[in-house]
Amino acid sequence: EVQLVESGGGLVQPGRSMKLSCAASGFTFSSFPMAWVRQAPTKGLEWVATISTSGGSTYYRDSVKGRFTISRDNAKSTLYLQMNSLRSEDTATYYCTRDAYLFDYWGQGVMVTVSS
Amino acid sequence: DVQMTQSPSYLAASPGESVSISCKASKSISNYLAWYQQKPGEAYKLLIYSGSTLQSGTPSRFSGSGSGTDFTLTIRSLEPEDFGLYYCQQYYEKPWTFGGGTKLELK
Repeated sequence: EVQLVESGGGLVQPGRSMKLSCAASGFTFSSFPMAWVRQAPTKGLEWVATISTSGGSTYYRDSVKGRFTISRDNAKSTLYLQMNSLRSEDTATYYCTRDAYLFDYWGQGVMVTVSS
Repeated sequence: DVQMTQSPSYLAASPGESVSISCKASKSISNYLAWYQQKPGEAYKLLIYSGSTLQSGTPSRFSGSGSGTDFTLTIRSLEPEDFGLYYCQQYYEKPWTFGGGTKLELK
């Protein structure tokens, strides 16, 4: 059974940093691109970033480019999202997903609140 | 970016009824469209991809249709477990974009 379990969320002040993790199991992690998708409170879903199987290619939405970094450790079957210079508009539930262009498996999500 | 317009945003129906949700793309996306469902307390679930192909495990009462810019998700004979949130998503080009969502509630 595919499982994606996010961790690392919480309350953070504007301008500070936070790192999310996603532990994957139930499939060959190194064979699949992975992504983060977020959902702000009462808003819709928004793709954030995608990383290729090896980690050699990464893609970001414009609003997080230069601030967020997606990475992976295939030996640990873990996906990461390093978020720097956080803004109030980054407040959202962040979902770890398997990215097959569409998102065929999702984690339960982790909440990130950016507020002073 | 490809804009995805989903309607209605809210839908109330009773078990046994049939409902349809529309998703319109701002440009042609061929059939690169997926539908997702989220039930309270559960992870998002992929229901349909390529506009009309049911993901393994999706009940046959769900169907998807359309291509180009206009797509429809239809649920025939609603079951109690079908109530929740539904989203469409295009994967024709990055950034992948989603519709605004439809909340399907029990009437």
